[in-house]
Amino acid sequence: GESVGLHLPTLSVQEGDNSIINCAYSNSASDYFIWYKQESGKGPQFIIDIRSNMDKRQGQRVTVLLNKTVKHLSLQIAATQPGDSAVYFCAETGGGGTSYGKLTFGQGTILTVHP
Amino acid sequence: KAGVTQTPRYLIKTRGQQVTLSCSPISGHRSVSWYQQTPGQGLQFLFEYFSETQRNKGNFPGRFSGRQFSNSRSEMNVSTLELGDSALYLCASSVNSATNEKLFFGSGTQLSVL
Repeated sequence: GESVGLHLPTLSVQEGDNSIINCAYSNSASDYFIWYKQESGKGPQFIIDIRSNMDKRQGQRVTVLLNKTVKHLSLQIAATQPGDSAVYFCAETGGGGTSYGKLTFGQGTILTVHP
Repeated sequence: KAGVTQTPRYLIKTRGQQVTLSCSPISGHRSVSWYQQTPGQGLQFLFEYFSETQRNKGNFPGRFSGRQFSNSRSEMNVSTLELGDSALYLCASSVNSATNEKLFFGSGTQLSVL
């Protein structure tokens, strides 16, 4: 079935470096994409979202890039901090009314930031 | 504004039992979705409720059911528990859950089936 997948299951960086987490999606009908951060013992926390009519969106220290041609999504974190250590999930939805409340999540990438 | 609240935080049950989990959405949010998270399968959609009606359902057996009350609070029930039902069950809420609307998640209920 349709799925969203991640290329790298783990990513280790040094504090202050920039981090890039990648995600591939397969549903060409997807029109809304979200990045979530999940820390141990907590639920997924919203980071940033982007709609399919955009290629790039920036937040505080984070940028999401969307390439619809190759169905690829990325999350860039600037000046990564130890507090950014977590599992990062991309998620997608779309396709009309059948998508109510339904996000398709990628498998997740474990980001470890070393001081 | 308080976030999504899920109770209980932890549950231990034995095979064959049933369990009920509770979720209180963010005030003003009328849509509640449920997800199962396991190390092997990741995050999987269970179902979504809006105005006490189930609008969407994932690919889970009929042992998994839910409901929503008039105050938007929701419960999910799993009957005849199996070992494979051990998971973190997450509830998420949104204002209306249109197709392009972000979901806010609770911290989940960790269910262990022995």
